[in-house]
Amino acid sequence: DTGVSQDPRHKITKRGQNVTFRCDPISEHNRLYWYRQTLGQGPEFLTYFQNEAQLEKSRLLSDRFSAERPKGSFSTLEIQRTEQGDSAMYLCASSFLSSLGSYEQYFGPGTRLTVT
Amino acid sequence: DAKTTQPPSMDCAEGRAANLPCNHSTISGNEYVYWYRQIHSQGPQYIIHGLKNNETNEMASLIITEDRKSSTLILPHATLRDTAVYYCIVSPNFGNEKLTFGTGTRLTIIP
Repeated sequence: DTGVSQDPRHKITKRGQNVTFRCDPISEHNRLYWYRQTLGQGPEFLTYFQNEAQLEKSRLLSDRFSAERPKGSFSTLEIQRTEQGDSAMYLCASSFLSSLGSYEQYFGPGTRLTVT
Repeated sequence: DAKTTQPPSMDCAEGRAANLPCNHSTISGNEYVYWYRQIHSQGPQYIIHGLKNNETNEMASLIITEDRKSSTLILPHATLRDTAVYYCIVSPNFGNEKLTFGTGTRLTIIP
């Protein structure tokens, strides 16, 4: 399967612990996005990368959150000192410039985080 | 980013055409209309997008009104696998491509 992959698929952690999620985009995709989705809501944008450069961060991305894409391929999202409000599905997406000039985003299956 | 309005839920009989409406009355001239869907417990899936002309691909058709203030996604022969939440999104084609999802329309296909 050559789609976007995310690891782990599920994570249960205790409040105050740090967690790290990994996203492997579709190869040759130069853009990578992170979104967060809570129950009953649509995904909310967190941040995105063009190659290894982080180009935009949402106000949702507090100081406890950090994302990296060190070599322009896979990305990691770390949450420090987790809080119960961080419980959500964390979605990764990647995109490329198509022949139509558009940036369709291809999403991974997500990492479901539960903070107890 | 322009905002969209969609009905919270719709039902459609299996085999019939599903028509999902979307209002985007504040859309700007450089903004495209995108449709994504999210099947339960999966990540969103791109369906189709358009600027002002009607578009069709293997999954669906997109009809955009002449004033571009609304659009309709058409699934021509709905199957049970089309049960999902459908999101209508407006976004510039270049530059700021982050997607702003609303709450979407939950489409249920009835056997």
